Amino acid sequence: DTAVSQTPKYLVTQMGNDKSIKCEQNLGHDTMYWYKQDSKKFLKIMFSYNNKELIINETVPNRFSPKSPDKAHLNLHINSLELGDSAVYFCASSLARAQYYGYTFGSGTRLTVV
Amino acid sequence: AQSVTQLDSQVPVFEEAPVELRCNYSSSVSVYLFWYVQYPNQGLQLLLKYLSGSTLVESINGFEAEFNKSQTSFHLRKPSVHISDTAEYFCAVTYPYNQGGKLIFGQGTELSVKP
Repeated sequence: DTAVSQTPKYLVTQMGNDKSIKCEQNLGHDTMYWYKQDSKKFLKIMFSYNNKELIINETVPNRFSPKSPDKAHLNLHINSLELGDSAVYFCASSLARAQYYGYTFGSGTRLTVV
Repeated sequence: AQSVTQLDSQVPVFEEAPVELRCNYSSSVSVYLFWYVQYPNQGLQLLLKYLSGSTLVESINGFEAEFNKSQTSFHLRKPSVHISDTAEYFCAVTYPYNQGGKLIFGQGTELSVKP
């Protein structure tokens, strides 16, 4: 059983399109995250949700909209895709205090905007 | 503000040689420190962490890291590396009672083990 699963694994799309990435965790965690890994492999947090409530929004363009229908799911919708959005997007989850347990990461979604 | 610096972007070593991946952090408060490993085309996996207590922490696959408060460092070491250790390694920091559980990552160090 995959603990944190993301779909799709690869996504190639044209500029201007709208796309969604889905994430689900079966660990019983109450906090979920989206991270962006750029071409230089730098990881930066985008959003954090705790029990469906937005906790962290790291000055991400409002073309990016996270949605958490329940604490096991955190989806990422991106409007009007731009070339600079090309990256690997990682979903992660943890218990409320990540510092005690660390994160569990999904395997990533490689988004390529052409 | 917290930050993490990994001093080497790439570390090539030969199999069975020792290796050290360096990590320094900046914080005005107590921190918790982590090392994550990312194998090619995979997500990140927690390798080891320092929360409190003994400053030397170990992973199940032979890595160890030492927390040095005076040097603000958390370097990762292994006395003898294997080909299978080839991966990207990330140092990360957070602090107690951090709302939202935000982890701040370093830039990553690519460890390349050659036969």
